[in-house]
Amino acid sequence: AAGVIQSPRHLIKEKRETATLKCYPIPRHDTVYWYQQGPGQDPQFLISFYEKMQSDKGSIPDRFSAQQFSDYHSELNMSSLELGDSALYFCASSSPYRLAVPPDEQFFGPGTRLTVL
Amino acid sequence: KNEVEQSPQNLTAQEGEFITINCSYSVGISALHWLQQHPGGGIVSLFMLSSGKKKHGRLIATINIQEKHSSLHITASHPRDSAVYICAVSDNYGQNFVFGPGTRLSVLP
Repeated sequence: AAGVIQSPRHLIKEKRETATLKCYPIPRHDTVYWYQQGPGQDPQFLISFYEKMQSDKGSIPDRFSAQQFSDYHSELNMSSLELGDSALYFCASSSPYRLAVPPDEQFFGPGTRLTVL
Repeated sequence: KNEVEQSPQNLTAQEGEFITINCSYSVGISALHWLQQHPGGGIVSLFMLSSGKKKHGRLIATINIQEKHSSLHITASHPRDSAVYICAVSDNYGQNFVFGPGTRLSVLP
């Protein structure tokens, strides 16, 4: 079965550079969630999108932005990277209310490991 | 006080032992999730519960909504079960996802 796809899987950037992480949800899933997990830390919710609109916002820095496109894939844009942004970034997707009960089961991608030097 | 707490934080077991990991939460939830994170970092959803009990193979998860408590049990544990097990809750709107600190399990052969 198709799973959530994230690209790239690994990314190395310098301080003050920008990075773009991509997430391709499971087909027919319309909700995408982004999480950040720092070394040795719990994952933290960043932001979510439902039907191409931002639905909830967590601890996402102002330097980060995200959007969901018409094909439901999502991109997390990170600017002015800092050393503390080094983390594993997870994307998860869930299926529409009309197709699944319960609707909020999230399926996780493999993560993108970002290293900021 | 953290919204989601787990115990124990670390657990070492011998192969074949019965393992229990506990989770308690303090917020209203629409569902509770048990996740497994392997050393490479990938997260796999094991269970999503809103009431009662679920079983998948050697894994059993229970939830008591009144007591705001859930347990994950592993029967006949195996070294490949070694991972971090994370309890997470989705809030009443089913959107925000709050993670517990995780329980690091090591199963020795």
